[in-house]
Amino acid sequence: IQLTQSPSSLSASVGDRVTITCRASQGISSYLAWYQQKPGKAPKLLIYAASTLQSGVPSRFSGSGSGTDFTLTISSLQPEDFATYYCQQLNSYPLFGGGTKVEIK
Amino acid sequence: EVQLVESGGGLVQPGGSLRLSCAASGFTFSSYDMHWVRQATGKGLEWVSAIGTAGDTYYPGSVKGRFTISRENAKNSLYLQMNSLRAGDTAVYYCARVSPRDESGSYYYGMDVWGQGTTVTVSS
Repeated sequence: IQLTQSPSSLSASVGDRVTITCRASQGISSYLAWYQQKPGKAPKLLIYAASTLQSGVPSRFSGSGSGTDFTLTISSLQPEDFATYYCQQLNSYPLFGGGTKVEIK
Repeated sequence: EVQLVESGGGLVQPGGSLRLSCAASGFTFSSYDMHWVRQATGKGLEWVSAIGTAGDTYYPGSVKGRFTISRENAKNSLYLQMNSLRAGDTAVYYCARVSPRDESGSYYYGMDVWGQGTTVTVSS
């Protein structure tokens, strides 16, 4: 199973609504997670089971989708949200998507 | 405090071997599946290996036959034995924990705790 994220990068302003998509090459039900990674730091779990917010993650982050098409949405981009985001399928071989870098416009 | 701390990284020649360690604290280590994930400079995340609570192991094709993941629950420790190393194995290696798989064999939860990473450089 392969995961394709789009876009690979985007430029946005503080306050913007940002949407990142992740497409699986075959159905994975809701077995998908999203991570945020900042330079020089380990990834941070944002969402699991496609739409469940990890404890402590701000509510401006949300996830949706099932089967092959998934979305991560940041409702109002904050300065601390500029980072790279990865999706990950959670089956026997938990591979990652290629990443989406969110940059300041 | 729940914590994972990797060690053992360094410079190794192509064809050489290295053993990484990951020390866990603050949680019941034996109750979690454990993973290794790596990241080459400027590149994305690459899943490297997994070990279940029962000692079952999983690898992607890129490292299968060269890397061996193991755990020692009595020492709250995870290991990655890396043999026949190549330049393409150069990366920061992270350990991470996940709650065990469900009845479908998939993970419901994601990797919720990560170490800070240890750097492996394969070069002559």
